[in-house]
Amino acid sequence: QVQLVQSGAEVKKPGSSVKVSCKASGGTFSNYAINWVRQAPGQGLEWMGGFMSIFDTGIYAQKFQGRVTMTADKSTSTAYMELRSLRFEDTAVYYCARDRGDGTSYDSSGYYYYYNYYGMDVWGQGTTVTVSS
Amino acid sequence: QPVLTQPPSSSASPGESARLTCTLPSDINVTTFNIYWYQQRPGSPPRYLLYYYSDSNKGQGSGVPSRFSGSKDASANTGILLISGLQSEDEADYYCMIWPRSASKMFGGGTKLTVL
Repeated sequence: QVQLVQSGAEVKKPGSSVKVSCKASGGTFSNYAINWVRQAPGQGLEWMGGFMSIFDTGIYAQKFQGRVTMTADKSTSTAYMELRSLRFEDTAVYYCARDRGDGTSYDSSGYYYYYNYYGMDVWGQGTTVTVSS
Repeated sequence: QPVLTQPPSSSASPGESARLTCTLPSDINVTTFNIYWYQQRPGSPPRYLLYYYSDSNKGQGSGVPSRFSGSKDASANTGILLISGLQSEDEADYYCMIWPRSASKMFGGGTKLTVL
C-alpha cells in the first residue's frame, strides 16, 4: 500500500519561498497525479493544484497561478510544491494527496483528466508552514 | 467562499443516522457530477470515504465501512452523505468535493459532526 511521507515543518519570512516534498513509499505515483491541498488554522480544505508525472503537467487553482510550482522526480517517487512570495495568510498545513482513477489523458487547455476518477485516496501526514516575521 | 455549501455543524446520537448535505450552485447540475466525500478527525489528515454518481456508479474507499453511503437529491441540487449506526469515532469534519472538467477541484466548507 502506497504511503505519502511529507517533509518537516517550516518557518518562513514574508516574501520568501517554501518547497515541500512528498515521497511515495511502498509504490509509485507515476500513473496518478499528486495534488496539494492546504488548510489554514481552523479553516476548511483548499485545493491548490496537482501534478501528473506521466505528462509532466501541472494544473493550478487560479488563486495560486504564478506563485506556485508543482513538480515531481520520478526516479525517487517524490513530488514537490514550491510556493513563492509567502504572505502571513499562507500559514497553513499543506497536504499532498494521490489521485485514484482509470485512464489518463489531457485536453487542449492543458488539463489532465481520468476517464474514471474516484477521488484522492492516499494523503500525506501534512506539513505545517508558518509565515512569520 | 467555497462554491459548495455545507451546513457548518450537525449532530446526532450514537446508533442514529446522520445526513450531511452538500449543495451545488444553481449553474452546476448535481446529476452530472461525481460527489466525493472526505472525513477529517481532529489532528489528522483527511481520509477518503467514497464517491457517488448514481446507485450504479459509486465507490467506497479502502476500509471504509458500508454504513457510510452516498446519494443525491436532484430537486435540491444536493449531494448527500449518510452515516448510519453512528459511533463516537464518526465525530469529525466532513468535506464534499467535485471536479468539473478543465477546472479546479472544489471543496465545500465542511460540516462538523458531533456524536452526542
